[in-house]
Amino acid sequence: EDQVTQSPEALRLQEGESSSLNCSYTVSGLRGLFWYRQDPGKGPEFLFTLYSAGEEKEKERLKATLTKKESFLHITAPKPEDSATYLCAPEGTGAGSYQLTFGKGTKLSVIP
Amino acid sequence: EAGVAQSPRYKIIEKRQSVAFWCNPISGHATLYWYQQILGQGPKLLIQFQNNGVVDDSQLPKDRFSAERLKGVDSTLKIQPAKLEDSAVYLCASSLVGGSSYEQYFGPGTRLTVT
Repeated sequence: EDQVTQSPEALRLQEGESSSLNCSYTVSGLRGLFWYRQDPGKGPEFLFTLYSAGEEKEKERLKATLTKKESFLHITAPKPEDSATYLCAPEGTGAGSYQLTFGKGTKLSVIP
Repeated sequence: EAGVAQSPRYKIIEKRQSVAFWCNPISGHATLYWYQQILGQGPKLLIQFQNNGVVDDSQLPKDRFSAERLKGVDSTLKIQPAKLEDSAVYLCASSLVGGSSYEQYFGPGTRLTVT
């Protein structure tokens, strides 16, 4: 069974204090790993897709990296508007279709 | 580009009642997904359509949940009868086609409370 564990569950940072979020996964037939951001009362918003170990992608203050068993989302000098829940979702072949397995997310709070 | 539309945004029902949710995906998107997100959890896939055919419904509780996608565009998800544990946000998403090459775009969700 596909499993995804995100840590920490919650993270409070001061504005400008850099940190990393972790996503550990066990997935059959990994095809890609997605990162999404979810604001309260809204649906998840796509951030990145990573396909192979060693790959990195950046967007503004966010950088996502991928290894064979983990992915990291690095946040550099965060701002209050980066406060959200960050969801990791590896895509495996599951029941034969392309299926995302979401972690529970890391709730990030950036304090001014 | 218009996003994924869902209605209603909120619904409160009593257990054993029935409820239906509606989703209109992004124009031209062939693949449509329904997810259930319980408070404090990540979204869980219930069913995936490719055009108007079901690709994966392995996690759909078929004794009470049903879904259809008419003419390969809009979709409805129904629960009958509802149980207390069905209280969750129901998210609809769409993508150009299935697979990791295409990100999924999510709607705002329908928050269901079963009392």
